[in-house]
Amino acid sequence: SQTIHQWPATLVQPVGSPLSLECTVEGTSNPNLYWYRQAAGRGLQLLFYSVGIGQISSEVPQNLSASRPQDRQFILSSKKLLLSDSGFYLCAWSLQGLLGYGYTFGSGTRLTVV
Amino acid sequence: AQSVTQPDIHITVSEGASLELRCNYSYGATPYLFWYVQSPGQGLQLLLKYFSGDTLVQGIKGFEAEFKRSQSSFNLRKPSVHWSDAAEYFCAVYMEYGNKLVFGAGTILRVKS
Repeated sequence: SQTIHQWPATLVQPVGSPLSLECTVEGTSNPNLYWYRQAAGRGLQLLFYSVGIGQISSEVPQNLSASRPQDRQFILSSKKLLLSDSGFYLCAWSLQGLLGYGYTFGSGTRLTVV
Repeated sequence: AQSVTQPDIHITVSEGASLELRCNYSYGATPYLFWYVQSPGQGLQLLLKYFSGDTLVQGIKGFEAEFKRSQSSFNLRKPSVHWSDAAEYFCAVYMEYGNKLVFGAGTILRVKS
């Protein structure tokens, strides 16, 4: 069966420090991968999505970047964190061309920038 | 552009009472619609989905939703709410370009005992 792992679960980082959040999917190949951010009371905002290795689409201009170095690995990064980067980050995957499975989400990373 | 509106930010119901969470969408073609639930500090879990066919769809945990094309709505319902249903609920519509889901802002459900 397919599983998605996201870590760390919580993170407290100072302003100006770098960030790396990792997401991996097991039990499937060539998934679509997504990074969402959920700020308090503001719903889910799609940050990045990827349909294949090295293929990243950015939804909003921001201080973050994403990379997909391997088929089932999706990394969210920042060189210098801002206070506004605080939030709950969710990784998700879906099967290409098989929408019937919908999205499967990881358990999320709570990022607090101080 | 596709969008999803959840008019109610917070809803409070008594345990055992019925529940209806509203969702309206904007989309030019037949939509693919989803409801997700999120417990505090957790990821999102799929409750149910609509693609085509029967406009009343059944999901997990006793939830159902009805697709009404004339009203552009996909409201979530449950006949009798349990305290464990307290969570945040998200409606979403599928956007073909990029195989993306567009989410509503969410509705926080509080259950009174």
